[in-house]
Amino acid sequence: ETGVTQTPRHLVMGMTNKKSLKCEQHLGHNAMYWYKQSAKKPLELMFVYSLEERVENNSVPSRFSPECPNSSHLFLHLHTLQPEDSALYLCASSQDFRVSEPSALHFGNGTRLTVT
Amino acid sequence: GQQLNQSPQSMFIQEGEDVSMNCTSSSIFNTWLWYKQDPGEGPVLLIALYKAGELTSNGRLTAQFGITRKDSFLNISASIPSDVGIYFCAGQDIMKTSYDKVIFGPGTSLSVIP
Repeated sequence: ETGVTQTPRHLVMGMTNKKSLKCEQHLGHNAMYWYKQSAKKPLELMFVYSLEERVENNSVPSRFSPECPNSSHLFLHLHTLQPEDSALYLCASSQDFRVSEPSALHFGNGTRLTVT
Repeated sequence: GQQLNQSPQSMFIQEGEDVSMNCTSSSIFNTWLWYKQDPGEGPVLLIALYKAGELTSNGRLTAQFGITRKDSFLNISASIPSDVGIYFCAGQDIMKTSYDKVIFGPGTSLSVIP
């Protein structure tokens, strides 16, 4: 298996639930990302991990909690979400983040999240 | 903050026609990337451009890195139904190490009429 794999593909949760999104990359990359994709809006970067260290938290509410146990796995823990958090959540990886050379992002297929 | 503009926002074309779309920015980027997103899928990298003026092809796709470094163009020749999807451009500033290192455009939605 190659590329970036996300599970689950679809998730429906109530506002009081706790759930987690999982991402795994098989590309040997050192950086992993969480993006939020809402309708009619550009991709929004949420978090960046480089070599398992969080390097960016782009003003994301605390109800979203990322975890990167190793360079191949990334989680997004969800707690007390709001209906406006419904979106497609995309995981991506790249060779590096903190380097002065190009490093293209490779995306997973995303988790379609609906908060009821 | 930085943002990219893509035009057109959407387009409906006949199968076999050529397609042109572009991406512009008020900021300079070192790298331009073009992605395609099929419904229910994640964006897939189509072409990466690393040098101003560079022209790169990938099958029926051709993309150019504008010489001002503030724009990029994507052309699709002889469109087919599977070209349907949303095309995103992204500008990358490799000297940044912050969240705005990569900026995505809002996308161009392409529909192909058989």
